[in-house]
Amino acid sequence: TQLLEQSPQFLSIQEGENLTVYCNSSSVFSSLQWYRQEPGEGPVLLVTVVTGGEVKKLKRLTFQFGDARKDSSLHITAAQPGDTGLYLCAGVQGGKLIFGQGTELSVKP
Amino acid sequence: ETGVTQTPRHLVMGMTNKKSLKCEQHLGHNAMYWYKQSAKKPLELMFVYNFKEQTENNSVPSRFSPECPNSSHLFLHLHTLQPEDSALYLCASSQQEAGYNEQFFGPGTRLTVL
Repeated sequence: TQLLEQSPQFLSIQEGENLTVYCNSSSVFSSLQWYRQEPGEGPVLLVTVVTGGEVKKLKRLTFQFGDARKDSSLHITAAQPGDTGLYLCAGVQGGKLIFGQGTELSVKP
Repeated sequence: ETGVTQTPRHLVMGMTNKKSLKCEQHLGHNAMYWYKQSAKKPLELMFVYNFKEQTENNSVPSRFSPECPNSSHLFLHLHTLQPEDSALYLCASSQQEAGYNEQFFGPGTRLTVL
C-alpha cells in the first residue's frame, strides 16, 4: 500500500508567521497535487508539480517537488486568517490519486 | 450551476433506510469519482466511472451502489448502512486524458447514520 505521510497533522499559528507542510512517501509519483479544503466544502486544487525539483509559487504559497519525486513541501509566507483550512497532498500513480491524511492549519488574527 | 454540485448537503438516516446521493458536473469531464472522507483519515477512493463505465471499485461493501446514467451525473445509492459509514461523501470529476488527473470536487454530502 502506497502511503503519503503529511506533517504536521495540526498547526496553529499567529497571523504573519511562516510555516511549512511536508508530504513524504517511499513511492515515486508521476506528479503531485496540493488541495485546500475549507469547512463545509470540497477540496480545491491549488497546484500540480510534475518535474523533480520543480518549484511553483502562488502568491504567498511556494510548492516544491522533491528531486526524486517522492516528497513535496508547501511553504506559506506571512500566513493570514484566510489561509485557514485543511491542506491535502495527493500523488498521482498509475493515473490514480493517492491522498495524504491532511494538515489542518489554523491562522489566528 | 457551475463546477460540481452535490445533493443533499446533509443527510441523516437510520440503518434500515434507503437513500441516494446525487452528483452533477457541469465541466464536460469524462470521469467521475466517489470518495469517502472520515476524520483524520486520507480520502478513500470508492468508485471511478470513465465514460459512464465503472473502472474501479475499491472493495466497497455492497450496501453502497453507484450509478452513472451519463457522463454528467453520478449517484450513490445507500441501503442498510452502518454507523461507521457516517462521513463526508465527496464527488469529483476530471478529464482523464488531460494527463495529471486534476480533480474538481463537489461540496460533499455530510452523512450521519443512526
